[in-house]
Amino acid sequence: KAGVTQTPRYLIKTRGQQVTLSCSPISGHRSVSWYQQTPGQGLQFLFEYFSETQRNKGNFPGRFSGRQFSNSRSEMNVSTLELGDSALYLCASSLPNPSYNEQFFGPGTRLTVL
Amino acid sequence: GQSLEQPSEVTAVEGAIVQINCTYQTSGFYGLSWYQQHDGGAPTFLSYNGLDGLEETGRFSSFLSRSDSYGYLLLQELQMKDSASYFCARADSNYQLIWGAGTKLIIKP
Repeated sequence: KAGVTQTPRYLIKTRGQQVTLSCSPISGHRSVSWYQQTPGQGLQFLFEYFSETQRNKGNFPGRFSGRQFSNSRSEMNVSTLELGDSALYLCASSLPNPSYNEQFFGPGTRLTVL
Repeated sequence: GQSLEQPSEVTAVEGAIVQINCTYQTSGFYGLSWYQQHDGGAPTFLSYNGLDGLEETGRFSSFLSRSDSYGYLLLQELQMKDSASYFCARADSNYQLIWGAGTKLIIKP
């Protein structure tokens, strides 16, 4: 079974630009969560999608948005990039219920904002 | 509150046993998970405790005490490959995982 894939793996953008990251979950997993990780920090929860609906949202500004498609693939978008958005963005997929037991992570997208 | 507290760094010797503690706030608590993350890698699931007690998986064990709002991860027979960051994460009623800041485990030969 293929694991969670994320594209692109690395991205360099400048302030003010916008970016779209993609995540393909493990086949059969309908829940996709997104996290931001900065050096020395835990994972900060962005949002979770299940069956194309945002089920949970973390404490991030509206510049951060996401969506999920009917095949469970998910994208997240960050508009008007700021220097502080430089981070590793991880997505994780899980079986729908209970989604908190075991999440399977992709390799992440490392975003650098200059 | 939803925060979790865990030590930022723990040092141990190869072959020894180490315990990484995690305390959490109880509001909406469902269970405690543990994940391992090697430098440059993605987190990988180690264990989940939904009930009080000890869960054992090979060299790794995890413990939960709901009455004390406390859990720990126990690593036995430490190997150099166990050098990594370990995160506790609490599940809440909204299917959301709230993560601790992580404990960097340094293993010395």
